[in-house]
Amino acid sequence: QVTLRESGPALVKPTQTLTLTCTFSGFSLSTSGMCVSWIRQPPGKALEWLARIDWDDDKYYSTSLKTRLTISKDTSKNQVVLTMTNMGPVDTATYYCARIRSSGWIDYWGQGTLVTVSS
Amino acid sequence: QSALTQPASVSGSPGQSITISCTGTSSDIGGYNYVSWYQQHPGKAPKVMIHDVTDRPSGVSNRFSGSKSGNTASLTISGLQAEDEADYYCSSYTSGRRTVFGGGTKLTVL
Repeated sequence: QVTLRESGPALVKPTQTLTLTCTFSGFSLSTSGMCVSWIRQPPGKALEWLARIDWDDDKYYSTSLKTRLTISKDTSKNQVVLTMTNMGPVDTATYYCARIRSSGWIDYWGQGTLVTVSS
Repeated sequence: QSALTQPASVSGSPGQSITISCTGTSSDIGGYNYVSWYQQHPGKAPKVMIHDVTDRPSGVSNRFSGSKSGNTASLTISGLQAEDEADYYCSSYTSGRRTVFGGGTKLTVL
């Protein structure tokens, strides 16, 4: 079955760079049509789509955050990595990785990882 | 891309039907038949209830249905049950293969 799991620091300091890893199983990102996205949700607030990487290594970013985000994949390890630079308190959120279909809907989500930005 | 617009809250009694609207633009909802809806219970990851405007994934109750007209999509839940109480988010494919979410709607079952 398909599973995804996020890992990374629970606490980062302002101005630091956040690196999150999504380790997945049950599918391969080298298979045509497979895509993985990152989504975040600040406490008590709405979901926000961040980035997507496709099987052919095409990458797409939120227009408001694209200067701070980088998404990459390691197909051999079944991992997708998201980096976000210049973290601030407003970036405190639960970060989810998810398998996303080419038409944009998400069929599998990770459990999410809470990242707090504080000095 | 701006978030899609949803009502902050809706409510209904058990057995009733409710509809949640989701308004976007011609660049997202109006431009593609790629609207999805997610249910999120507190402390849990979202779960897809509807995708591609009207399609229900296997295992999702047929009490959930979706539709779209112009730049507005809707989720209807019929025969409300206590377990339906949750937050609901709409989402749409948008230009450049991006995805945009709505602001979320809290459903209360009275």
